[in-house]
Amino acid sequence: QVQLVESGGDVVQPGRSLRLSCAASGFTFSAYAMNWVRQTPGKGLEWVAVISFSGSNKYYADSVKGRFTISRDNSKNTLYLQMSSLRPEDTALYYCARDLATAPNSYYGPDYWGQGTLVTVSS
Amino acid sequence: DIQMTQSPSSVSASVGDRVTITCRASQGISRWLAWYQQKPGKAPKLLIYSASSLQSGVPSRFSGSGSGTDFTLTISSLQPEDFATYYCQQAHSFPLTFGGGTKVEIK
Repeated sequence: QVQLVESGGDVVQPGRSLRLSCAASGFTFSAYAMNWVRQTPGKGLEWVAVISFSGSNKYYADSVKGRFTISRDNSKNTLYLQMSSLRPEDTALYYCARDLATAPNSYYGPDYWGQGTLVTVSS
Repeated sequence: DIQMTQSPSSVSASVGDRVTITCRASQGISRWLAWYQQKPGKAPKLLIYSASSLQSGVPSRFSGSGSGTDFTLTISSLQPEDFATYYCQQAHSFPLTFGGGTKVEIK
């Protein structure tokens, strides 16, 4: 069965960096685009970024563009989110999620989600 | 960005009731719409995609309809395990955006 396990969440000060990881199993990781989605009690669900199956195409929310970088290592079945210049408003539960679309360079949004990893940005 | 507006924000219903949740897009999205269910402390679960296609394993009491800007999620006969928060999400264009959620509570 599809399993996605996030890690790397922590409490960090504003302006610092953090890298999240997501270990995937139970499916052919290299065949799917992958997303990061975050959730806060106040703002609900917010899509953060998506990366194509090969890693060649990446798209970001405006709120994180230029600060966050999504990447993947298909040899390790692992998705990453490098977060820099963190702000208090980046505080959220970050979910790794497989994309529903299976056609190359096609995206839909999540079908399977991990359980999330908590990032808190506070001084 | 495409704004997704759900209504109501919460609904109280009893087991066996028919429940309808509405989602409106700020511009036409054809049928590029998904619905998710989220229970407390759990990740969202995909219920419906392409406005009306049922995800594998999802009970047939869930159905979706609509196209363009107006969409509905219907639970035909509410079951105890259906008390949760439901979100719509547009897949028409980046950034992907979600509705604010509808909490289905026990009456």
